[in-house]
Amino acid sequence: NAGVTQTPKFRILKIGQSMTLQCTQDMNHNYMYWYRQDPGMGLKLIYYSVGAGITDKGEVPNGYNVSRSTTEDFPLRLELAAPSQTSVYFCASRKKAGQDHSSWYGYTFGSGTRLTVV
Amino acid sequence: ELKVEQNPLFLSMQEGKNYTIYCNYSTTSDRLYWYRQDPGKSLESLFVLLSNGAVKQEGRLMASLDTKARLSTLHITAAVHDLSATYFCAVIGGTSGSRLTFGEGTQLTVNP
Repeated sequence: NAGVTQTPKFRILKIGQSMTLQCTQDMNHNYMYWYRQDPGMGLKLIYYSVGAGITDKGEVPNGYNVSRSTTEDFPLRLELAAPSQTSVYFCASRKKAGQDHSSWYGYTFGSGTRLTVV
Repeated sequence: ELKVEQNPLFLSMQEGKNYTIYCNYSTTSDRLYWYRQDPGKSLESLFVLLSNGAVKQEGRLMASLDTKARLSTLHITAAVHDLSATYFCAVIGGTSGSRLTFGEGTQLTVNP
């Protein structure tokens, strides 16, 4: 059981370049999330998805796009990289909760992608 | 907008001492999470607190939740060096729907 897998682990981009950060989970989780973490800070939500075909913006969506064509995959696209997008990016997933509060599962996080834009 | 505040942001303590990290949040929530992050690593789930008065303990760490005060605490008992890490609380609540909102984190250093 691999959990949440992110690729690549490290990447250096030049200003204006584009790239896709990959995220895959094998736990059949409905909900998936992309966060960014700037140095010494907490995580800020970029985009999230509650199921295949459904995505929505988080706190800091500008400069990013996402898609969710399958339950397993939730790629994050950077179209025109800027130095302000230098950060560590985490993908997370969780199971859809039932009515019983005891089923509110914690989130499973990937190992992160460290992105530098120069 | 849901806001989550932790204090202190930096904590340096000696081995064997006790201390508490506080997490305040701004809107109604009954789901609060504590995570640990080691430098350059991902987040490790420590506790999920689901109801008012919930208390959970694992080793030297104990977390509690007071939903009326909108406050959670993470208490460290007899700290050891291995507990050095950054600790985050995160909350689901208000208009954030299913989304976690994180505090800024508390960077804990335990000195011999």
